Amino acid sequence: QVTLKESGPVLVKPTETLTLTCTVSGFSLSNARMGVSWIRQPPGKALEWLAHIFSNDEKSYSTSLKSRLTISKDTSKSQVVLTMTNMDPVDTATYYCARTLRYCSSTSCTYYFDYWGQGTLVTVSS
Amino acid sequence: SYELTQPPSVSVSPGQTARITCSGDALPKQYAYWYQQKPGQAPVLVIYKDSERPSGIPERFSGSSSGTTVTLTISGVQAEDEADYYCQSADSSGTDVVFGGGTKLTVL
Repeated sequence: QVTLKESGPVLVKPTETLTLTCTVSGFSLSNARMGVSWIRQPPGKALEWLAHIFSNDEKSYSTSLKSRLTISKDTSKSQVVLTMTNMDPVDTATYYCARTLRYCSSTSCTYYFDYWGQGTLVTVSS
Repeated sequence: SYELTQPPSVSVSPGQTARITCSGDALPKQYAYWYQQKPGQAPVLVIYKDSERPSGIPERFSGSSSGTTVTLTISGVQAEDEADYYCQSADSSGTDVVFGGGTKLTVL
């Protein structure tokens, strides 16, 4: 049974750095076919992809947030960690981690998410 | 930045067919994926690679693609299908993963 669970602070202050951990079970972070992504959703708004990481340490970040994000993994602990610097109230959102699969054509790859964690609401406020 | 455009809302009566569209310039080159999200819950993948259905997803959910538009079709809509639906794909280079703005499906 595949499960993902997010953990981290529920409240952060503006300018602080957010660190979130995703703990997975039912699959291995060493599986080359699967990765883990972080996706967020502000209250009442749409989903926004943030970053992903795969077993070979391939990483990719949202172009608009790249300068503030770092994703890493600890395969032995089955954990993926996302850090986001310089938090602002507009970053208030539910943050999800999701198992990520990819389909690659001859020219590019698309990524999609077949299992999701329950999400964790992070509020940015002083 | 690349965008996927969905109608904000679609309404349908039970037993009817709901069609939710998603438009984007790169869709002829990139596969699209669809997610269902009910209030307070995480999204669920309902269609992948334009028209494939994951195991456990009812057959009434189907997907199609034509040019710069992909469509999620729900045949014989049931009350339990009321939810937000998001399309997802990538820009033409595959660099960015992009979600549409979401469509709220209301079952009248």
